[in-house]
Amino acid sequence: SQQGEEDPQALSIQEGENATMNCSYKTSINNLQWYRQNSGRGLVHLILIRSNEREKHSGRLRVTLDTSKKSSSLLITASRAADTASYFCATESNFGNEKLTFGTGTRLTIIP
Amino acid sequence: DAMVIQNPRYQVTQFGKPVTLSCSQTLNHNVMYWYQQKSSQAPKLLFHYYDKDFNNEADTPDNFQSRRPNTSFCFLDIRSPGLGDAAMYLCATSGVAGETQYFGPGTRLLVL
Repeated sequence: SQQGEEDPQALSIQEGENATMNCSYKTSINNLQWYRQNSGRGLVHLILIRSNEREKHSGRLRVTLDTSKKSSSLLITASRAADTASYFCATESNFGNEKLTFGTGTRLTIIP
Repeated sequence: DAMVIQNPRYQVTQFGKPVTLSCSQTLNHNVMYWYQQKSSQAPKLLFHYYDKDFNNEADTPDNFQSRRPNTSFCFLDIRSPGLGDAAMYLCATSGVAGETQYFGPGTRLLVL
């Protein structure tokens, strides 16, 4: 399977703390994306990082990419209760096949 | 607001009774995707369209078919639903294949 793996599978932290999630993948990529999914809803795109980029920021989100290790991390700073959701990484391989391969996801719970 | 719309949000069908799920988009995107997502799992790509070109995943059962009559609409037909087909079905669009995907809210299918 080319599916990525995310670590941890579940994470519970206190509101205000930082949350870090990790993603590993298997093939060479063009880009890696992170999505959020609230329970029973569709996915929402958070950030896209290209294979030639190492770090990207968007508001309270910070994403890093290490192509040599085939891994990425998502950091959410100063977490809020509304950040409670599942987070998925997704990769576009450099085979140019027009699709994304999603990781297994991290379930994040923010405790008020 | 530009968006991806899925109807219905909840669908109940009987074992073996054909069912059609619909997706429409106002984003005028070339690419449309159908995913199946089971509880606590990653979205699994069933197929996608690049304009009118249909791309089926190798492991998508023949029971699943799709139609894209125009740019805005895409349909998922399940010819003979089994209990194992109960899942959330997500539609997504992309302006550039392999890049950011915009998801609808999903249709939750229950098979009795």
